[in-house]
Amino acid sequence: RKEVEQDPGPFNVPEGATVAFNCTYSNSASQSFFWYRQDCRKEPKLLMSVYSSGNEDGRFTAQLNRASQYISLLIRDSKLSDSATYLCVVNREGSYIPTFGRGTSLIVHP
Amino acid sequence: GAVVSQHPSWVICKSGTSVKIECRSLDFQATTMFWYRQFPKQSLMLMATSNEGSKATYEQGVEKDKFLINHASLTLSTLTVTSAHPEDSSFYICMPEGQNEQFFGPGTRLTVL
Repeated sequence: RKEVEQDPGPFNVPEGATVAFNCTYSNSASQSFFWYRQDCRKEPKLLMSVYSSGNEDGRFTAQLNRASQYISLLIRDSKLSDSATYLCVVNREGSYIPTFGRGTSLIVHP
Repeated sequence: GAVVSQHPSWVICKSGTSVKIECRSLDFQATTMFWYRQFPKQSLMLMATSNEGSKATYEQGVEKDKFLINHASLTLSTLTVTSAHPEDSSFYICMPEGQNEQFFGPGTRLTVL
């Protein structure tokens, strides 16, 4: 089983739609979780950290389910500019070494 | 956030040549630097972890004699791809070890002909 798994998509949604991505991780002792956004041919950029209590940043909501070992990202009111690849990242147990999922591609169309 | 630069941003070279990629932390001291590689439509894969003043730690399957890492100062880590071949063509990205947030360098796109 891969350390971090994501559905590669692509998710093709119209503007204004709500879309959710899930990510599962294999190491139950992992402590830090993040969502990154990567645009084509660019480096990943941190979108948001994921906390146990769940957290929200504008149209983006991240949640963590430790029992089931999955992380989710919800995007409301999708914009064309949200089109990108969203990477789920889990730090290895006891370290700051990030392990990346292969990413989920989102395409928002008019 | 942290500012990290990489040079060059892209490079095209002939098979058999060596390519040096520099990663600089511009506004902080990076004791540890992670080097990742990303093939098209694939995930970022950790290649090695470099530590200032000591030998790098390589991930399983990464040849340390082919990918030479030097971390001689707290603001500069370099990755040298020796005797590059077409299969080494990839996007190479550095990232300093952080606390709660992680910031990447802008990446170097290597194409080996």
